[in-house]
Amino acid sequence: DGGITQSPKYLFRKEGQNVTLSCEQNLNHDAMYWYRQDPGQGLRLIYYSQIVNDFQKGDIAEGYSVSREKKESFPLTVTSAQKNPTAFYLCASSIDLFRAQPQHFGDGTRLSIL
Amino acid sequence: AQKVTQAQTEISVVEKEDVTLDCVYETRDTTYYLFWYKQPPSGELVFLIRRNSFDEQNEISGRYSWNFQKSTSSFNFTITASQVVDSAVYFCALSEATSGSRLTFGEGTQLTVNP
Repeated sequence: DGGITQSPKYLFRKEGQNVTLSCEQNLNHDAMYWYRQDPGQGLRLIYYSQIVNDFQKGDIAEGYSVSREKKESFPLTVTSAQKNPTAFYLCASSIDLFRAQPQHFGDGTRLSIL
Repeated sequence: AQKVTQAQTEISVVEKEDVTLDCVYETRDTTYYLFWYKQPPSGELVFLIRRNSFDEQNEISGRYSWNFQKSTSSFNFTITASQVVDSAVYFCALSEATSGSRLTFGEGTQLTVNP
């Protein structure tokens, strides 16, 4: 079945450590997105990408980095510069960035600080 | 700037009751899209509906219905004869034509349907 796979489901970060969240899609979508969700809050956009080797900052990009070396993959790195990384992270994809197409979401990764 | 407001943080109903989730939006664009997503306890968001700003017809899909009113900038979602499986967080979201598929989400409404 086509879909989005995020891994791991749970992740723990030590002080000063960078961690990488994986996101893979087999929907042949051009656009991919990373969101952060805090308790009782909506989703906030971290980064998005419309094509391989291209990505743009969203509303809360500080302390995060991404890469898009393959169409199927859009990993997110939470760097040590992100002082409050504890949150639920969701990856999404859509056919493209331009036509307000619905986004399809993965199951999420829950990140906590040790 | 675009904004979505879901004033109801939590709603609790008893099974078979009807429930309406409110969504109010702000945008300066004349062309925009509105969405509803469901987030069950498993965590992933499930797409429910997309409506463009030029189509104000109400829509019904089974027990779900949506009421779009541009005059009040609202896009409300009603579940008829609610079921326990409807328990989830529901998000309303807005996309302006200039931002393409980028979404601005409301803060979500936690719906609990009790047996």
